[in-house]
Amino acid sequence: GGIITQTPKFLIGQEGQKLTLKCQQNFNHDTMYWYRQDSGKGLRLIYYSITENDLQKGDLSEGYDASREKKSSFSLTVTSAQKNEMAVFLCASSIGQGTLYFGEGSRLIVV
Amino acid sequence: GDSVTQTEGLVTLTEGLPVMLNCTYQTIYSNPFLFWYVQHLNESPRLLLKSFTDNKRTEHQGFHATLHKSSSSFHLQKSSAQLSDSALYYCALSPGTGGYKVVFGSGTRLLVSP
Repeated sequence: GGIITQTPKFLIGQEGQKLTLKCQQNFNHDTMYWYRQDSGKGLRLIYYSITENDLQKGDLSEGYDASREKKSSFSLTVTSAQKNEMAVFLCASSIGQGTLYFGEGSRLIVV
Repeated sequence: GDSVTQTEGLVTLTEGLPVMLNCTYQTIYSNPFLFWYVQHLNESPRLLLKSFTDNKRTEHQGFHATLHKSSSSFHLQKSSAQLSDSALYYCALSPGTGGYKVVFGSGTRLLVSP
């Protein structure tokens, strides 16, 4: 089996600050995803990547950047943190259009 | 774009009663993959079951669902709810040969009481 590791588990930053979340997977999966989880709004796709150096925008990409420099890692940057975007960010990976495997999540706290 | 609709935000049931969580979808692709994910408290979502075959029942861990392309539905059912079924359930869609963008519904929280 494999594992998806998200760091940090809690990310605390100030309003307007640029903040980065990291995700590593050892499944050797090609496709990776970043979702934002808000209560009552489900999982909303921010960015996904189907291979190294590929980036595809999801429905919630505004205000975020992503980077996939290696097959095993996928990072997400909040370009200017706002208090209304405190949420849990979930990274996932999959083979093709198969099952998504999720990390444990990173909680963003903006003060 | 593709979308998934889960009409119930919260479903409360007494143990032993049947479960039905609704999921409908919209997509331009003719062969989508539909998924149900379950998220227990303080855990990450994990796959419960999936299907891409029209009108074929898929079962796992006592839950079942049938993809009906004619009505764009993939409802989740279980004959008898257990306390341990209390969780957040997400329906999700992948466009199949149309790409890799996986879209989730807003989720349904199932609370099962004794």
